[in-house]
Amino acid sequence: NAGVTQTPKFRILKIGQSMTLQCAQDMNHNYMYWYRQDPGMGLKLIYYSVGAGITDKGEVPNGYNVSRSTTEDFPLRLELAAPSQTSVYFCASSVGTSGLLGEQFFGPGTRLTVL
Amino acid sequence: RKEVEQDPGPFNVPEGATVAFNCTYSNSASQSFFWYRQDCRKEPKLLMSVYSSGNEDGRFTAQLNRASQYISLLIRDSKLSDSATYLCVVTRYNFNKFYFGSGTKLNVKP
Repeated sequence: NAGVTQTPKFRILKIGQSMTLQCAQDMNHNYMYWYRQDPGMGLKLIYYSVGAGITDKGEVPNGYNVSRSTTEDFPLRLELAAPSQTSVYFCASSVGTSGLLGEQFFGPGTRLTVL
Repeated sequence: RKEVEQDPGPFNVPEGATVAFNCTYSNSASQSFFWYRQDCRKEPKLLMSVYSSGNEDGRFTAQLNRASQYISLLIRDSKLSDSATYLCVVTRYNFNKFYFGSGTKLNVKP
């Protein structure tokens, strides 16, 4: 089991460029999440998905898009990158059954700098 | 009011000390509770789940007080390697999100 994997590990973007952060999990988890964490701050939820084909906004969705075409993959798209999107991005997954969420597993993160 | 609140610290303690953190949650319908550990520039990792009856894992003990809506984490015989940020996490029944506190920083010094 690789768990939750994220690529790339690091990336520098210029203002206005776009990119996709990749996230995959091999645990057959139905729930997947994208968070961002600014230096010295807590985690903020960007988007989440409760299953293939279903996504929903978190608290900071502006400037991002997601899709979930398979159980395994949950890519995060940044359009028109801005310096405010400089952050560490974590993808996570968990099992959800009968209304309850289990432990959340995190990927190693993508460190993004927008200049 | 924030869903989950923690004292940010830092808690600076000597090796071998016992240290305790509390975390309060605002919604009485909260259902599942966790403590995660996050090392600098790394991803959060589950330290332990918190059950109604409390639970212990080696030097770590977690307790839940539903009446006062807080969970606690006790670390005995602190090690240098315990230095990290400890995140309190709460979920609610039929809600699809995890609610994270902003973390309590622990520094264990020689």
